[in-house]
Amino acid sequence: QVYLVESGGGVVQPGRSLRLSCAATGFSFSNYGMHWVRQAPGKGLEWVAGISGEGRSQSYIGAVKGRFSISRDNINNALFLQMDSLRPEDSAVYFCAKEYGAFDACDIWGQGALVTVSS
Amino acid sequence: EVVLTQSPDFQSVTPKEKVTITCRASQSIGGKLHWYQQKPDQSPKLLIKYASQSFSGVPSRFRGSGSGTDFTLTINSLEAEDAATYFCHQTSSLPYTFGQGTKLEIK
Repeated sequence: QVYLVESGGGVVQPGRSLRLSCAATGFSFSNYGMHWVRQAPGKGLEWVAGISGEGRSQSYIGAVKGRFSISRDNINNALFLQMDSLRPEDSAVYFCAKEYGAFDACDIWGQGALVTVSS
Repeated sequence: EVVLTQSPDFQSVTPKEKVTITCRASQSIGGKLHWYQQKPDQSPKLLIKYASQSFSGVPSRFRGSGSGTDFTLTINSLEAEDAATYFCHQTSSLPYTFGQGTKLEIK
């Protein structure tokens, strides 16, 4: 069975850091690009970052460039999002998602991890 | 950045009705446009990829079409379980972007 499970969400003060993890099961993890997509409460979906299967290529939206870092561990089938200098506007549910193929849709999504940035 | 604009934002429909949701891109994205369904407190589910390819296990009443800048998701003979928010998503150029969503309410 193919699934993704996020962890590491929580409440954090502005300016602090948080690291999200996503455990992958049931597929050849290193063969697929992976993404983080977030959704603020009551809002739409926003793509945040993506990483290639081998981990050599990463991309980010402008709003998080220089503050967030996406990485992966292909030995332990895990995806990460290191979030530094957090802002209240980063508060959202963060989903990890698997690419179906290169430049393709995301066919598998995790259940999401809630991040709340508040003093 | 490619901006995706969906219409309508909200639609109230009756079962068995045919529903059409459109997604317009601010520049040509070829066929790299995908559709997702999201129900409250759930993660998105892939319905259609590359504009018109139905994803495995998706009911045949969901159909996608279009290319370039104009795309359509059609739901034939709507069922009560189709109450959800629908998003389009482009993977033609970085940063990837989503439409704002279309919420379908079943009367």
